[in-house]
Amino acid sequence: GEDVEQSLFLSVREGDSSVINCTYTDSSSTYLYWYKQEPGAGLQLLTYIFSNMDMKQDQRLTVLLNKKDKHLSLRIADTQTGDSAIYFCAERLKGSSYKLIFGSGTRLLVRP
Amino acid sequence: KAGVTQTPRYLIKTRGQQVTLSCSPISGHRSVSWYQQTPGQGLQFLFEYFSETQRNKGNFPGRFSGRQFSNSRSEMNVSTLELGDSALYLCASSYGAEAYEQYFGPGTRLTVT
Repeated sequence: GEDVEQSLFLSVREGDSSVINCTYTDSSSTYLYWYKQEPGAGLQLLTYIFSNMDMKQDQRLTVLLNKKDKHLSLRIADTQTGDSAIYFCAERLKGSSYKLIFGSGTRLLVRP
Repeated sequence: KAGVTQTPRYLIKTRGQQVTLSCSPISGHRSVSWYQQTPGQGLQFLFEYFSETQRNKGNFPGRFSGRQFSNSRSEMNVSTLELGDSALYLCASSYGAEAYEQYFGPGTRLTVT
């Protein structure tokens, strides 16, 4: 079935690394995404990974995919106060569905 | 390049009324998707259009409809508004037919009283 789960809240100190986790249930996922939403704003596409990849790095962001466990993580290095936001994991299923299935979001709070 | 724009940004309507929301995709993008975001249900897919054709529809009642114009701009309409339709409505655009990278607009905040 279609289900994406995330923990609700994460608090880290400025300068530390943050790791946001996500699990999904549908093994036919093709692409997995991370979006960021700041208060009063839309969703910002941060990065995405194709399901045949294990890892993708983009500047301070590292995405790890464990397809066997259906686990996706986003690591933010040197976390800044500007990284405080809600982070959504999303999956896109095989086939021409075109829709993204989102998790409920993880609120990241960066303490100075 | 300008991002996805949505109008209006805020809207207050009364139960029973209808509403039309507009979305202008990034220049050159031909796929437009709509999502509803509420605190209780999170982000839910409404529908997706490509080249004026609806390719996929989410599990929403028939009161929710949409269309796409030849210039790729899209509108969604909600008739006979209910209190539960209060939400942030987000539009996303993608370049090609496969719509891998979806870029979102700022959303329209609809409040139904």
